[in-house]
Amino acid sequence: DAGVTQSPTHLIKTRGQQVTLRCSPKSGHDTVSWYQQALGQGPQFIFQYYEEEERQRGNFPDRFSGHQFPNYSSELNVNALLLGDSALYLCASSLGLAGGPYEQYFGPGTRLTVT
Amino acid sequence: DAKTTQPNSMESNEEEPVHLPCNHSTISGTDYIHWYRQLPSQGPEYVIHGLTSNVNNRMASLAIAEDRKSSTLILHRATLRDAAVYYCIRYYPAGKDMRFGAGTRLTVKP
Repeated sequence: DAGVTQSPTHLIKTRGQQVTLRCSPKSGHDTVSWYQQALGQGPQFIFQYYEEEERQRGNFPDRFSGHQFPNYSSELNVNALLLGDSALYLCASSLGLAGGPYEQYFGPGTRLTVT
Repeated sequence: DAKTTQPNSMESNEEEPVHLPCNHSTISGTDYIHWYRQLPSQGPEYVIHGLTSNVNNRMASLAIAEDRKSSTLILHRATLRDAAVYYCIRYYPAGKDMRFGAGTRLTVKP
């Protein structure tokens, strides 16, 4: 089992550009959540996808958008990049939205640097 | 505030038990308590979770206060590999999201 995989590992972009990050969930998982982790802080919830729809969203602007594909993989898109978007972006997968406290499995993250 | 309160840092000696405290005084009756840890240069890793009763697994034990306003993660014998940032999180079944705080940085001394 490969676990949660993310690509790319590192990325450098210029302010104003757009970026797409990718995530493949753990085998058997159908729910993907995205988090932003600034240096020295805990992860902050961006949004969660289930059945190809955004189900929950944290306090992030519309510049942050996502997509989930039929194979449960997911993309995170960020438009009009700001310097403050520099962070580690984490993808986590879990099973279902049936209300249970399902544990989430995190990927290693994508380190985004905006210059 | 929906987040929990934890000490910024703690130290432990190798092979000794470690008790990591967490305050969640505004927790509601349906919120679960989750613990995750994050080793350097890795994503967070699930440790344990509970609702009302104490819980044990191969990694740790979780002791939840009777009034549920606080909990303690117990590592029975700390190893150098347990050095990490430990996050105590309230999980909202309705919202399906987890809200991380700054966590506790655990240092394990040989």
